[in-house]
Amino acid sequence: QVQLVQSEAEVKKPGASVKVSCKASGYTFISNGINWVRQAPGQGLEWMGWISGDNVKTNYAENFQGRVTMTTDTSTSTAYMELRSLRSDDTAMYYCARAYSISYYMDVWGQGTTLTVSS
Amino acid sequence: DIQMTQSPSSLSASVGDKLTITCRASRTISKYLHWYQHKAGKAPELLISGASTLQSGIPSRFSGNGSGTEYTLTISSLQPEDIGTYFCQQTYSTPLTFGGGTKVEVK
Repeated sequence: QVQLVQSEAEVKKPGASVKVSCKASGYTFISNGINWVRQAPGQGLEWMGWISGDNVKTNYAENFQGRVTMTTDTSTSTAYMELRSLRSDDTAMYYCARAYSISYYMDVWGQGTTLTVSS
Repeated sequence: DIQMTQSPSSLSASVGDKLTITCRASRTISKYLHWYQHKAGKAPELLISGASTLQSGIPSRFSGNGSGTEYTLTISSLQPEDIGTYFCQQTYSTPLTFGGGTKVEVK
């Protein structure tokens, strides 16, 4: 079945970087893009950006421009989201979600990866 | 940015009740509006895409409607397994934005 499996929880110090993975299975990876969405404790959902499955196109939310890099590895059907210069307010649950294109709905979601940023 | 205003933020209803959740966009989004259900500890699940298309496997008690700037999600007969948070999302333009969510509880 179609699924996205994300990497385990992370704990980082302020100023560090984190790279979260999202391994896809059950579909043709390069034919669909991946969104990254986060939810801070007690907050709503925040879109971070989208990357095409073939690692050619990206679209980052302005709030994360310069601090986030999204990539895919087509050989392993895995998407990655790297966030740098971490702050305490980056503490959140991070989700990957499949979307055919950036204007499409997110039809399959990963289970989420908890990131805690604390000194 | 397109702001999505969702109401109510929470509600408590009895099994069998009909519920309606509303999502208003700050400008027209031409039915690029999707609804999700998020249960605690689980991944969000897509319920309805394009304002009114029910996804495969989703019970028919869920329905969506709307156009322009105003959209609704209706649960025709609330069931105990429907507890969770429901949120809308627009994909008309970037940045993609979500409504604040509606937490549904069963009395």
